[in-house]
Amino acid sequence: AQSVTQLDSQVPVFEEAPVELRCNYSSSVSVYLFWYVQYPNQGLQLLLKYLSGSTLVKGINGFEAEFNKSQTSFHLRKPSVHISDTAEYFCAVHSGGSNYKLTFGKGTLLTVNP
Amino acid sequence: GAVVSQHPSWVICKSGTSVKIECRSLDFQATTMFWYRQFPKQSLMLMATSNEGSKATYEQGVEKDKFLINHASLTLSTLTVTSAHPEDSSFYICSAGVPGETQYFGPGTRLLVL
Repeated sequence: AQSVTQLDSQVPVFEEAPVELRCNYSSSVSVYLFWYVQYPNQGLQLLLKYLSGSTLVKGINGFEAEFNKSQTSFHLRKPSVHISDTAEYFCAVHSGGSNYKLTFGKGTLLTVNP
Repeated sequence: GAVVSQHPSWVICKSGTSVKIECRSLDFQATTMFWYRQFPKQSLMLMATSNEGSKATYEQGVEKDKFLINHASLTLSTLTVTSAHPEDSSFYICSAGVPGETQYFGPGTRLLVL
């Protein structure tokens, strides 16, 4: 079985500050890792994904994440946030196979203040 | 990226009526689609996995006679909430699996049962 832990339920930051949203996972098999963003009253949008290769993954909107196998982490970072980054962020994993079934974390609400 | 649409985006209905929600993959064929329910300020709860041409697989605790899922083609899955009641009011999100990648999500459907 897999599980995902997002350590912070809420992260308030000021505009132009750096931010890190933490995600840890547990799994007995190799996993694929994802970050999704959800704006109010909308579906989820894929920010970035780690499937294989380089452990530093760059995504949309200036976000990046680093896969750390030894620490079973996949933290999301952005060097300078904007007001428009205010949203809910979900970390998710799946172990491959044909059904792509995702296990989600509980989400982190990022609030960017002026 | 892959695009998934949902229709309608908003629906209000009377208690006891049935409501159908459509989920379409617009630029790819999806053999597997997923239906989620999301309560306010919570993560997504997987309701069922829908495979084209076969019966859906429901998660534990989800009533399959209440939430009818049909995946008749490689680009369309439907969720019908039968005899809806106020407790069925929620945000329903579908997603479609892209082979070798992950799930791409629709924009969601807000259901309000009066």
